Amino acid sequence: GEDVEQSLFLSVREGDSSVINCTYTDSSSTYLYWYKQEPGAGLQLLTYIFSNMDMKQDQRLTVLLNKKDKHLSLRIADTQTGDSAIYFCAERSDQAGTALIFGKGTTLSVSS
Amino acid sequence: SAVISQKPSRDICQRGTSLTIQCQVDSQVTMMFWYRQQPGQSLTLIATANQGSEATYESGFVIDKFPISRPNLTFSTLTVSNMSPEDSSIYLCSVVGRTYGYTFGSGTRLTVV
Repeated sequence: GEDVEQSLFLSVREGDSSVINCTYTDSSSTYLYWYKQEPGAGLQLLTYIFSNMDMKQDQRLTVLLNKKDKHLSLRIADTQTGDSAIYFCAERSDQAGTALIFGKGTTLSVSS
Repeated sequence: SAVISQKPSRDICQRGTSLTIQCQVDSQVTMMFWYRQQPGQSLTLIATANQGSEATYESGFVIDKFPISRPNLTFSTLTVSNMSPEDSSIYLCSVVGRTYGYTFGSGTRLTVV
């Protein structure tokens, strides 16, 4: 079945790196996504990675995928207070009819 | 990516009434989905809106409670019927085009009193 797990909270200081982790169980997942949700706002797509890739970098964001362990991480370099938000990991599973299955979200708190 | 217009952005409704949420996309998309995000929770898929046919519902969601229409490739509606306070949530429309990027509407914040 499909299940996506994330730690619920992460607290970092401004300027540090943040690493948000995610595990998934559906080995047939083809794409994995990271979304950001700020308070009272909608979902913003940050990045996604295809399942045959190990890493994807986009400016301050680095996504690492360990397909063997079904582990996905999002690293935010030089974390800023504006990065404070909830970060959702999501998988695209063919078993779910191509809809995204979301984790519960990790609340990132950045202190100055 | 596609631009989604979702209406209304928020509403306060009396229990027992129904609310219809609209999702309009600025381009033709292959798939449209409806999600619910309960307070402090993650997103739960309600159904896949199929163009020209009945929606495909996930376990725990039924057509009588959440009727969905999708008359064409750019528009869909979700109705929350016979509402109770437990239906207070954010309801989100999501679409996917050719490039596998899933875009979400800004959501409808529903409060049932």
